[in-house]
Amino acid sequence: AQSVTQLDSHVSVSEGTPVLLRCNYSSSYSPSLFWYVQHPNKGLQLLLKYTSAATLVKGINGFEAEFKKSETSFHLTKPSAHMSDAAEYFCVVSDHPISGNTGKLIFGQGTTLQVKP
Amino acid sequence: KAGVTQTPRYLIKTRGQQVTLSCSPISGHRSVSWYQQTPGQGLQFLFEYFSETQRNKGNFPGRFSGRQFSNSRSEMNVSTLELGDSALYLCASSLGTGTMNTEAFFGQGTRLTVV
Repeated sequence: AQSVTQLDSHVSVSEGTPVLLRCNYSSSYSPSLFWYVQHPNKGLQLLLKYTSAATLVKGINGFEAEFKKSETSFHLTKPSAHMSDAAEYFCVVSDHPISGNTGKLIFGQGTTLQVKP
Repeated sequence: KAGVTQTPRYLIKTRGQQVTLSCSPISGHRSVSWYQQTPGQGLQFLFEYFSETQRNKGNFPGRFSGRQFSNSRSEMNVSTLELGDSALYLCASSLGTGTMNTEAFFGQGTRLTVV
């Protein structure tokens, strides 16, 4: 079965410093992995996705993530945090068998990113 | 291109009542999935509809049901509401085809409060 574990429930950084949000996954086959962000009282917005192409994935707003199969990790990074980055971040794996697309996403528990001025 | 639209945005219901939530996906998307978000359980998959058929189902009781219409719009229904059903219900739309999962686009959600 597919699963994701976000290693930190809360991360606090200062504005202008790097951001690292950690995610490990478990999958029986080559996974599709995503990072979503949720601002207060908002829906979920896709930051980036990995679907077996390049292992270093670039997303919106300066975020990127690296897929490391040997470590079963998909950590999210950003070189310099901005106040507007403060939000909840979710690491997500899709639950699709090799035979096709099932549309089911499995979410990590989320990491709250706090950005201090 | 219009995004995913969920209505209503907020609902307050009494225990024992039933409720219907609506989701209009992005034009051309045939897959609609529903998720429940609560502080304790996080985001949990309810079910997915593709071309008017339920293609996948999560571990929720039968009080939770859904359907999809020929225009891909979807509704979910919760009967005999319980206090624990209070949550943010999110709808996601995607193309739903192909061997690799394309990204899902989420609506703003419906905040259901059961009193």
